[in-house]
Amino acid sequence: AQSVSQHNHHVILSEAASLELGCNYSYGGTVNLFWYVQYPGQHLQLLLKYFSGDPLVKGIKGFEAEFIKSKFSFNLRKPSVQWSDTAEYFCAVTSSGTYKYIFGTGTRLKVLA
Amino acid sequence: DTAVSQTPKYLVTQMGNDKSIKCEQNLGHDTMYWYKQDSKKFLKIMFSYNNKELIINETVPNRFSPKSPDKAHLNLHINSLELGDSAVYFCASSPAGVDEQYFGPGTRLTVT
Repeated sequence: AQSVSQHNHHVILSEAASLELGCNYSYGGTVNLFWYVQYPGQHLQLLLKYFSGDPLVKGIKGFEAEFIKSKFSFNLRKPSVQWSDTAEYFCAVTSSGTYKYIFGTGTRLKVLA
Repeated sequence: DTAVSQTPKYLVTQMGNDKSIKCEQNLGHDTMYWYKQDSKKFLKIMFSYNNKELIINETVPNRFSPKSPDKAHLNLHINSLELGDSAVYFCASSPAGVDEQYFGPGTRLTVT
């Protein structure tokens, strides 16, 4: 069965620290990959997505993610976090030919000012 | 203009009651979804409709019944509410099944 793993459940960083959140998926076919962010009390918003092409994708607010097919990974990075990045981050996967989104369990990021 | 809207935003009700949550999207998308987010923030798909047709029905109790009167609306009706139904329910829409999803603001359901 398809699954998405986010290994870091809670991450606490100081402002200006670098961020990397892990995401691994389990699926053998062609996948589309997403990172969403949920700010406190708000709905999910798309940070970035990967369908094909350059495996390094850039999203909003300085976030980027790298798709490494051999590792089934799609890790999220940001070189320097801000207090306003405090949120829950979700990795998600869909596969071609299905309408089913599978979300990871989320990583709660807290950035200390 | 709100792209995906849900009503109500908050819903507090007693066990055994029946309630509905409404969702509307003005993006012209073909596909709509219902998700349940529990207290640990785990987000689980419940249903998906494509052009008013049910295409995903996860292992959800049959007390939950989605209805799509047209492509822009997907409502969720819940019968005989239980304590475990307490959660935040998110509606979402997508231009195609594998593309980006646009989420509504969520409905926080509390069953007492």
